[in-house]
Amino acid sequence: NAGVTQTPKFRILKIGQSMTLQCAQDMNHNYMYWYRQDPGMGLKLIYYSVGAGITDKGEVPNGYNVSRSTTEDFPLRLELAAPSQTSVYFCASSKQSGGSSYEQYFGPGTRLTVT
Amino acid sequence: DAKTTQPPSMDCAEGRAANLPCNHSTISGNEYVYWYRQIHSQGPQYIIHGLKNNETNEMASLIITEDRKSSTLILPHATLRDTAVYYCIVRVAGGAGNMLTFGGGTRLMVKP
Repeated sequence: NAGVTQTPKFRILKIGQSMTLQCAQDMNHNYMYWYRQDPGMGLKLIYYSVGAGITDKGEVPNGYNVSRSTTEDFPLRLELAAPSQTSVYFCASSKQSGGSSYEQYFGPGTRLTVT
Repeated sequence: DAKTTQPPSMDCAEGRAANLPCNHSTISGNEYVYWYRQIHSQGPQYIIHGLKNNETNEMASLIITEDRKSSTLILPHATLRDTAVYYCIVRVAGGAGNMLTFGGGTRLMVKP
């Protein structure tokens, strides 16, 4: 199993450009998440998905969009990049079944700089 | 989800036990205690979680007080590779989106 993979590892964007951060998992997890982590801070949830076709906002969704057309993939779209979106982005996935709780598995992250 | 309080930093000698405390005095009866760690620049890694009873796995032990208002993560024989930020998170199992709320964590430095 590759686990959770993210591409690209690094990216520099100019203000106003757009891009898609890719995330894929091969563990057949139904839940997937996008977090951002600013320097010296904890992670904040951007969006999450409980299954294909179902997404919902997290704590900091403004400026981002997501889609979930398959169980495996959960891309994050930045439409008009702003310097405030300079951050490290982590994708995660977890299994979920009823009221039971399972750990989240994280990808290696994408380091994004907007200038 | 209940708020947690952790010391911002701790040191530990290599080979000794590292005891990381976490206070969660407002925890509810259906909330679990989770521990994750983040080694520099990497994605967070799950360590352990528990509800009431003490738990142990291959990585660590989790001791939860009887009143559940605090807990301690124990790394029995810390190595240099355990240097990381450790996050204590309290949340309801199966809650909306099963999301994790990360605070500041404890930066553990293991020294030779």
